[in-house]
Amino acid sequence: KAGVTQTPRYLIKTRGQQVTLSCSPISGHRSVSWYQQTPGQGLQFLFEYFSETQRNKGNFPGRFSGRQFSNSRSEMNVSTLELGDSALYLCASSFFPSTDTQYFGPGTRLTVL
Amino acid sequence: KNEVEQSPQNLTAQEGEFITINCSYSVGISALHWLQQHPGGGIVSLFMLSSGKKKHGRLIATINIQEKHSSLHITASHPRDSAVYICAARSNFGNEKLTFGTGTRLTIIP
Repeated sequence: KAGVTQTPRYLIKTRGQQVTLSCSPISGHRSVSWYQQTPGQGLQFLFEYFSETQRNKGNFPGRFSGRQFSNSRSEMNVSTLELGDSALYLCASSFFPSTDTQYFGPGTRLTVL
Repeated sequence: KNEVEQSPQNLTAQEGEFITINCSYSVGISALHWLQQHPGGGIVSLFMLSSGKKKHGRLIATINIQEKHSSLHITASHPRDSAVYICAARSNFGNEKLTFGTGTRLTIIP
């Protein structure tokens, strides 16, 4: 069974631009969570989706948004990029939210110049 | 004070040694996760536990709900165990979000 895939793997943007990251969960998984990892803050929870609905959201500004499609694939969008948004963005999928083991994708490394 | 604290931050040991990594949390939780992250970023979920003890190969995870403490043990450590180990607490109220510890960087010397 294929694992969680994330595209693109690497991305370079400039301040003020916007970016869309994509996550394809393991087949059959309906829950997708997104995380940001930086050297200073470590791993932080962004949001969690289940069956196309956002269940939970972390403490990030409204510039960070996401959605989940009917095939469980998910996208996250960051608008008006700031230098501090440079990070590794990870998504993880599971059958059900909260109570299930999560399987992580390889991440998208975003660099904002 | 962070809601999830890990210790030690860095740990270097000789191959074959018994390793213990500790995680303390201050919030009520429904589950505690242990993750392994190798250089390059890939994260693997090792354990999810809400009580007692779980074992997988040379890895053992325990949790004491009353003391709000969990430990990850590695027996007969091997250089391939070198990685960052992260604990994460799943809150049992509100948005049930995962809060992560800062990680323990483990280096096993042959």
